[in-house]
Amino acid sequence: GNSVTQMEGPVTLSEEAFLTINCTYTATGYPSLFWYVQYPGEGLQLLLKATKADDKGSNKGFEATYRKETTSFHLEKGSVQVSDSAVYFCALPLGTSYDKVIFGPGTSLSVIP
Amino acid sequence: GAVVSQHPSWVICKSGTSVKIECRSLDFQATTMFWYRQFPKQSLMLMATSNEGSKATYEQGVEKDKFLINHASLTLSTLTVTSAHPEDSSFYICSVGTSNGYEQYFGPGTRLTVT
Repeated sequence: GNSVTQMEGPVTLSEEAFLTINCTYTATGYPSLFWYVQYPGEGLQLLLKATKADDKGSNKGFEATYRKETTSFHLEKGSVQVSDSAVYFCALPLGTSYDKVIFGPGTSLSVIP
Repeated sequence: GAVVSQHPSWVICKSGTSVKIECRSLDFQATTMFWYRQFPKQSLMLMATSNEGSKATYEQGVEKDKFLINHASLTLSTLTVTSAHPEDSSFYICSVGTSNGYEQYFGPGTRLTVT
């Protein structure tokens, strides 16, 4: 079945620093890939997604490119803000049961002024 | 995207009692809903898939008789934690499944504390 691996946190950055959170996956075929964000005390929100190889998802200054050669979907942002402090989850559909999604372990990001 | 609400957002109950958590899809007809639990600083663990008008499908290791799920309408699914114990204390999150590239819309979560 499909699986996802994500870099361990926590990650602490100063405001305006560059962010990379690594995500790699194993999957049958080329499933859609997602990044979800969870702000403190809240549920998850979809941050961005890519539905096919070489697609780039982007939202709120975050980007991730679906790279099938390296089976990766790394999340990047050029200049983080304090408000970006949250937990970020990489995710993809679970095998052929496309309704289900599996999540990486999450990476906690803290941005300090 | 769909707007999903959960009620209550926070509940404390005594050991041995039952607690019901509601998940509502406010603007989307949710044929499929999912229930997750999340322990502090951990990822989401899928507990069950809730299908409108039929029995829920539970993931391996999840006790069906302890976590009762009802999905009687296209807008409401409920999770009842029966005979709660302190180890059931967790953050419970529901989501609505869509056919839009497998994207899910999540509720804000319910924090359950069992004393």
